[in-house]
Amino acid sequence: AQKVTQAQTEISVVEKEDVTLDCVYETRDTTYYLFWYKQPPSGELVFLIRRNSFDEQNEISGRYSWNFQKSTSSFNFTITASQVVDSAVYFCALSPSGNNNDMRFGAGTRLTVKP
Amino acid sequence: EPEVTQTPSHQVTQMGQEVILRCVPISNHLYFYWYRQILGQKVEFLVSFYNNEISEKSEIFDDQFSVERPDGSNFTLKIRSTKLEDSAMYFCASSEGGEARNLPYEQYFGPGTRLTVT
Repeated sequence: AQKVTQAQTEISVVEKEDVTLDCVYETRDTTYYLFWYKQPPSGELVFLIRRNSFDEQNEISGRYSWNFQKSTSSFNFTITASQVVDSAVYFCALSPSGNNNDMRFGAGTRLTVKP
Repeated sequence: EPEVTQTPSHQVTQMGQEVILRCVPISNHLYFYWYRQILGQKVEFLVSFYNNEISEKSEIFDDQFSVERPDGSNFTLKIRSTKLEDSAMYFCASSEGGEARNLPYEQYFGPGTRLTVT
């Protein structure tokens, strides 16, 4: 079974705080992609990062960083020094192996950053 | 950079009416997808399409839904007789694909069409 769990439904922080969004996934596939998307109030899905199952290196992009751990099937996302503009719903997603498999999305975490 | 486009951005329709949502996938892509997101909920897979036929579909994709690639560029989702519960954001996506390989091909998402059924 392919499944993505984002246990945190809503998180509220004050500007400049660091915040980590959790993502745990289940898959029997040995090759897969993991994604994070941001969905602002306007509704579009903004691609943030893609990570393939062979690459467990953590990644940092500006204030964003991702921690991929296959041993715990987790792909957590940290925003450092959060800003009001980071307020959005964040989705973690899994793309299983194969040519045309559907992507499985987590339920999303609504992040509110207060000034 | 090539991107997936969708029209219209917002569609309002009355219950029982037919709607067609349009997508233009990235030109060299071979696989096309529709996803749905009911307000406040997660994004859910509806259907995938390859070589002019449906590859996979979810239980959501019942007889009220159909997809078509009417020409070389458009990919459409038709809802025959809309219900209130069809109100959602509909995302189109496309991916390359073709040769079998270890890693899946990445799906690129369009900006979505917000469908409101009244």
